[in-house]
Amino acid sequence: GDSVTQMEGPVTLSEEAFLTINCTYTATGYPSLFWYVQYPGEGLQLLLKATKADDKGSNKGFEATYRKETTSFHLEKGSVQVSDSAVYFCALLIQGAQKLVFGQGTRLTINP
Amino acid sequence: DTEVTQTPKHLVMGMTNKKSLKCEQHMGHRAMYWYKQKAKKPPELMFVYSYEKLSINESVPSRFSPECPNSSLLNLHLHALQPEDSALYLCASSQDNRAVLAFFGQGTRLTVV
Repeated sequence: GDSVTQMEGPVTLSEEAFLTINCTYTATGYPSLFWYVQYPGEGLQLLLKATKADDKGSNKGFEATYRKETTSFHLEKGSVQVSDSAVYFCALLIQGAQKLVFGQGTRLTINP
Repeated sequence: DTEVTQTPKHLVMGMTNKKSLKCEQHMGHRAMYWYKQKAKKPPELMFVYSYEKLSINESVPSRFSPECPNSSLLNLHLHALQPEDSALYLCASSQDNRAVLAFFGQGTRLTVV
């Protein structure tokens, strides 16, 4: 079946450090890929997306590239801030389907 | 208005109570969703409404009853819940059932005692 695997957290970094959160997927079709962020006590927000191979999604300094050859969609940011502390979910959506498949989430804490 | 609004934000109910969760959006979206999120877990899809008709029910127990009275409103009626149903219930909407799911509400944190 379709699935998403994220690196286990929690991840703790210092401010201005480089961030990578790994995400790999298994899918039978041609998925669209997403990163969502959930700040404490809130719902999910769409952070970025990519709908086909080699697409790069970007938003708020975060980037992720859809790599079909490695079935990956790793999230990166060059310089993290304390305000980036949140839980990050990688997700996929099979074309024509209505159901998002989420990874387990990675809790990120940024220390000043 | 680019918000999905959920009420109440917190709810404590007994196992014999009947309560309802409410979700509203005024973005003209025609697909609306209920997700359940347990602590430290990803959201799990419960129901999808597309053009006010139930299109997906992920084998959710009948003690959860969804309703979509109009295109802006989605309810989740709760009856005879169990303590293990305690979770964050998230509503979401999208332009249609194939569009990117970009808008989630802040959720209702439900505790069943």
